[in-house]
Order: sequence, then structure tokens, then C-alpha cells
Amino acid sequence: GAVVSQHPSRVICKSGTSVKIECRSLDFQATTMFWYRQFPKQSLMLMATSNEGSKATYEQGVEKDKFLINHASLTLSTLTVTSAHPEDSSFYICSAQTGQNTEAFFGQGTRLTVV
Amino acid sequence: GEDVEQSLFLSVREGDSSVINCTYTDSSSTYLYWYKQEPGAGLQLLTYIFSNMDMKQDQRLTVLLNKKDKHLSLRIADTQTGDSAIYFCAESLTGGGNKLTFGTGTQLKVEL
Repeated sequence: GAVVSQHPSRVICKSGTSVKIECRSLDFQATTMFWYRQFPKQSLMLMATSNEGSKATYEQGVEKDKFLINHASLTLSTLTVTSAHPEDSSFYICSAQTGQNTEAFFGQGTRLTVV
Repeated sequence: GEDVEQSLFLSVREGDSSVINCTYTDSSSTYLYWYKQEPGAGLQLLTYIFSNMDMKQDQRLTVLLNKKDKHLSLRIADTQTGDSAIYFCAESLTGGGNKLTFGTGTQLKVEL
């Protein structure tokens, strides 16, 4: 099956710094990637939809200037959490699909802890 | 808004059947999914059902959909220790992996 890899799987950063999370489709080209966030004992919440070569579409309540998404190639999307604060500590997970309405394949997630 | 709910935890004995339940609120949901997440791994799509279906069976997995009550269930027959994981139900209006709304996840623990 298709493989999506996220890096890093775990990261600890200091408050006020920025963290970049990568999402790569290893064996297919992903026209669309999705970024989700999951707080403990809560659902995965969609943060944004990222299409290759265009600006990401953010869900209501997600600050686009804080969560910078870049989808510069068909195999890579990045999420940068800028000026991270402890409340940004969460599990971030991406998914990638080859085309509209096709199955999305998920990365293994990134556990971010801001101290 | 859309809301999808699941119980947080389920414990079963090996060999028994497991039934994981999910309720959702958006009556316009077109596709409903079950995903499995093992520790340290991404979400794996197990199965899905269209909203115009009542039931779908795939080997040990049976999905039941009660559209009137907005209730979805996943039955795993002959549950094995390898089935221990977190199971998420999800809904989508447009299908595929588009803009999924997930439940909170049910942690299934299979005991010997």
C-alpha cells in the first residue's frame, strides 16, 4: 500500500521557537495533503487542506500565520508551528491522497511537546 | 456542526466478538469509515460504507449502519491480540480521504 512518512515522530521544543514537521508520500504523488491535530482523549481535528502549488485552505479557528503550511512538491508538505507555546503541544498527523475523492493515506504522526 | 462520538475504551477476551459503536450528527454524511491506529503508526483504513447501505462485510469485519439513528458499528469476529489498537470512525461528505471528521477513538484491548 501507499506509504506516508512524517518526520520527526517526536519533538520537544522551547516556548517561543518554531518547529517544522514534514509529511512525505514515499511511493506516490500527492496532489492533496491534509493536516490534523489531536489533543489527548479528543478527536483528530482537521487543521488545513494543502494542494500542491497553491495556498493551503485553513479550517475555521486555525491561525494561518501560526501554522504555516507549504506544499511545494507532489511528495512533500510541511507544517511549521511558529512561536510555539505549551498549548500547541499536541499530536499532529498528515494524510495524503493522489486525487480528489481518493483514499487518503496517513502518516504515523508527530508528537509535539512545547516546554 | 458535525460531531462524531465513540466510547473511549473496550475490553474483550481473545476469540470473542468486539463491537465498537459510533454516533454522528450530520445527516448529510455520505461516506462513513473505520480506521485502525496501532501504537506509533498512522491511521490505517479498515473499511468504509456508503450512506445508502445498511451493512458491509469484509472477512472478520462487519459494518452496520442505522441511518435513521445515525449509528455506525464495527464488529470484529474472533478478536485476536493483534486487533488491540485504537479504532476511529469518521465521516465525509464527499468521499475518499477528503476532510474527514473523526470520532474520539475507541481503545480496544484484547485479553488472553
